[in-house]
Amino acid sequence: AQSVTQLGSHVSVSEGALVLLRCNYSSSVPPYLFWYVQYPNQGLQLLLKYTTGATLVKGINGFEAEFKKSETSFHLTKPSAHMSDAAEYFCAVSDRTNDYKLSFGAGTTVTVRA
Amino acid sequence: DAGVIQSPRHEVTEMGQEVTLRCKPISGHNSLFWYRQTMMRGLELLIYFNNNVPIDDSGMPEDRFSAKMPNASFSTLKIQPSEPRDSAVYFCASRETGAGYGYTFGSGTRLTVV
Repeated sequence: AQSVTQLGSHVSVSEGALVLLRCNYSSSVPPYLFWYVQYPNQGLQLLLKYTTGATLVKGINGFEAEFKKSETSFHLTKPSAHMSDAAEYFCAVSDRTNDYKLSFGAGTTVTVRA
Repeated sequence: DAGVIQSPRHEVTEMGQEVTLRCKPISGHNSLFWYRQTMMRGLELLIYFNNNVPIDDSGMPEDRFSAKMPNASFSTLKIQPSEPRDSAVYFCASRETGAGYGYTFGSGTRLTVV
């Protein structure tokens, strides 16, 4: 069975600083990995995904994530935080042994200080 | 495409009343998921359908909850009778069946049971 652990339920960064959100996964087969963002009072929106190929994937709003098989990680980064990045971020994993159903992490809330 | 459409956006009801939440998935998406989100429990998968057939309803909290998908373009989640502890945001999501596809979420229904 697959699972996801997000390290840190809350992250606070200064505007212009690096955003780093950590995600580690567990999967018995090569996984598909996703990051979603949820802005207040909205549904979850896909930021980026890794399926196969290049391990560094770029998403919307300047975010990117790197799949590291040896570390079973898929950390999300953005070089320079903007006030509009304040939201909750979810990491998710899926694999073919579970009908490609997504398993979500508990989420990390990002606040951005002016 | 209009995305996943949920109605109503907000619902306030009295304890004991029946509540019906509605979802229209994206055309061509074969899988549909119902989630519940609360501060205490985070995102919980309630039930999901493939090709209109319920596949896994193990997340449905109790018999008061039921879900149907009479056709590919419509699903309902019903709570009867409703209780204050059912207060949450309920999300519907849809997906193309197969590898590597993420979910597209609706904007959610915020349910308050008083």
